[in-house]
Amino acid sequence: AQTVTQSQPEMSVQEAETVTLSCTYDTSESDYYLFWYKQPPSRQMILVIRQEAYKQQNATENRFSVNFQKAAKSFSLKISDSQLGDAAMYFCAYVGNAGNMLTFGGGTRLMVKP
Amino acid sequence: DVKVTQSSRYLVKRTGEKVFLECVQDMDHENMFWYRQDPGLGLRLIYFSYDVKMKEKGDIPEGYSVSREKKERFSLILESASTNQTSMYLCASRSQGAGNTIYFGEGSWLTVV
Repeated sequence: AQTVTQSQPEMSVQEAETVTLSCTYDTSESDYYLFWYKQPPSRQMILVIRQEAYKQQNATENRFSVNFQKAAKSFSLKISDSQLGDAAMYFCAYVGNAGNMLTFGGGTRLMVKP
Repeated sequence: DVKVTQSSRYLVKRTGEKVFLECVQDMDHENMFWYRQDPGLGLRLIYFSYDVKMKEKGDIPEGYSVSREKKERFSLILESASTNQTSMYLCASRSQGAGNTIYFGEGSWLTVV
């Protein structure tokens, strides 16, 4: 079974600074997808970024980028120029290419200090 | 916009009661999910449905059952609620295809007293 681990229960960052959230996963599959989801206080989960395992290039979405290290099974999220609206729970998630069920990590609560 | 609607945001039920949590999606997605979210444990999959009347157990199915009679509707049933089922329940849907985004409802806070 796949597992996803987020080793940082809480992180804080100063507004306008950069922060990196860690995620590691365990799988025997070679093709899969990885996601970062954001859950603000409203509880509505929002997709932040997606990475396909067969793509070597790291995904980027505006201020959000990932560092995908396939051999190390690591998938960290970097948030640049942090904003107050970035404060939320962040979840890392995995799904195998042939599968449908996403496996989520335990989440990291990000606080942004003004 | 994709809409996943959970009928009840906040519920308080007594131990032993039968509880129904309803979820409806409007995007004709094949796959629907029920997750439970608890602090420090992240989201844990209770049940998954990939078609009408089809279901698969997730990581923590004990004490729960599900029903999917129509494609757009996926219900979670607690046959006899217990206090350890006090939690946030999230419904989600997704179209077929591993890379596709999963869409969540706003969640249902269930308290069992």
